Amino acid sequence: DTGVSQDPRHKITKRGQNVTFRCDPISEHNRLYWYRQTLGQGPEFLTYFQNEAQLEKSRLLSDRFSAERPKGSFSTLEIQRTEQGDSAMYLCASSPIAGGRKTGANVLTFGAGSRLTVL
Amino acid sequence: GESVGLHLPTLSVQEGDNSIINCAYSNSASDYFIWYKQESGKGPQFIIDIRSNMDKRQGQRVTVLLNKTVKHLSLQIAATQPGDSAVYFCAETRYNFNKFYFGSGTKLNVKP
Repeated sequence: DTGVSQDPRHKITKRGQNVTFRCDPISEHNRLYWYRQTLGQGPEFLTYFQNEAQLEKSRLLSDRFSAERPKGSFSTLEIQRTEQGDSAMYLCASSPIAGGRKTGANVLTFGAGSRLTVL
Repeated sequence: GESVGLHLPTLSVQEGDNSIINCAYSNSASDYFIWYKQESGKGPQFIIDIRSNMDKRQGQRVTVLLNKTVKHLSLQIAATQPGDSAVYFCAETRYNFNKFYFGSGTKLNVKP
């Protein structure tokens, strides 16, 4: 297993276009997260899945954003009608189902991210 | 390491010295904390974690200290090396581990 893979690594698009990012988590991980990171800031939570179920969405995730994890494996994050404010790094992370209170049991493993630039 | 808009707090240290990176968290209900390292162009990488029932935890060249009274976390890096240059984030989570909240980060510069 090569860890969490994200594709594409970089995407430049014009305002108003749709973009889609893909994430392939670590195969045995049940949980998959999407975060957004802007320059000089820490990652901000967008949404997460447990298997194929999307269990929580942030207020940051407007109706132009949609995420899916149809078979509980890979996930896609689509942004419709992109705006310049959508320019950011979109990070995917996965983890095993919460392993209780033991240290190390709930660590998020991140991919390298997909950088979006909206012109 | 409090955020000041787009400008990350920066810590500059000499190679071989010890580094201390600080993080304040806001929610007293947080009970699990992780330090991540992020190099330019890469995703955050796990360094060390700590549960709220612990005050200190040590790894290889790194130590995390947790002070629940003042809601403060620190990461100590011993004998800092050029490869330690990166942005460091603390992350906290609460009971159900559903999502982690990240601080704004501290940039560590290691001078040779």
